[in-house]
Amino acid sequence: AQSVTQLDSHVSVSEGTPVLLRCNYSSSYSPSLFWYVQHPNKGLQLLLKYTSAATLVKGINGFEAEFKKSETSFHLTKPSAHMSDAAEYFCVVSDHPRFGAGTRLTVKP
Amino acid sequence: GAVVSQHPSWVICKSGTSVKIECRSLDFQATTMFWYRQFPKQSLMLMATSNEGSKATYEQGVEKDKFLINHASLTLSTLTVTSAHPEDSSFYICSANLPSGRSHEQYFGPGTRLTVT
Repeated sequence: AQSVTQLDSHVSVSEGTPVLLRCNYSSSYSPSLFWYVQHPNKGLQLLLKYTSAATLVKGINGFEAEFKKSETSFHLTKPSAHMSDAAEYFCVVSDHPRFGAGTRLTVKP
Repeated sequence: GAVVSQHPSWVICKSGTSVKIECRSLDFQATTMFWYRQFPKQSLMLMATSNEGSKATYEQGVEKDKFLINHASLTLSTLTVTSAHPEDSSFYICSANLPSGRSHEQYFGPGTRLTVT
């Protein structure tokens, strides 16, 4: 069975500082992995996806994530946080899509 | 491309009544759709996998007689909440993936907020 674990339920950063949202996965085969963002009372938007091509994946709005098989991780990063990045972020694994618990990102001015 | 719509976007119903939520893939055919529910400030919980032309596969703990799913065509899946109660109030989200896609990327609908009074 596949699953994901988001290691932080809440991350708070200051505007302009780096963002790190952590996700570990469990899969018996090479998974597809995704990060989605959900703004309050809104639907889900795909940030980026890993599908066994390049291990460093670039997404929208300056986000990127690196697939590390040895660490079974797919952490989401952004060099400089913006106020508009404040939202809920979900890590999702593969074809029977199961969501991580989510990480709420707060950006302080 | 790959747009998924849901209707209605919000609905209020009285306890004991049934509510139907539609999920449509607008510009592609979806053999498989997924239904989720999301409580406030919580993650999405997969309820069931809807397969065109066959019975839905429900996740453990989800009452199939309570949440009726019909995937009658390649572009439409419906979720009917039967005999709704206040505890069924939630945000319901559907998704679909491209049938030929290898990446299993999900395209999500905007969600339906159900309030049962």
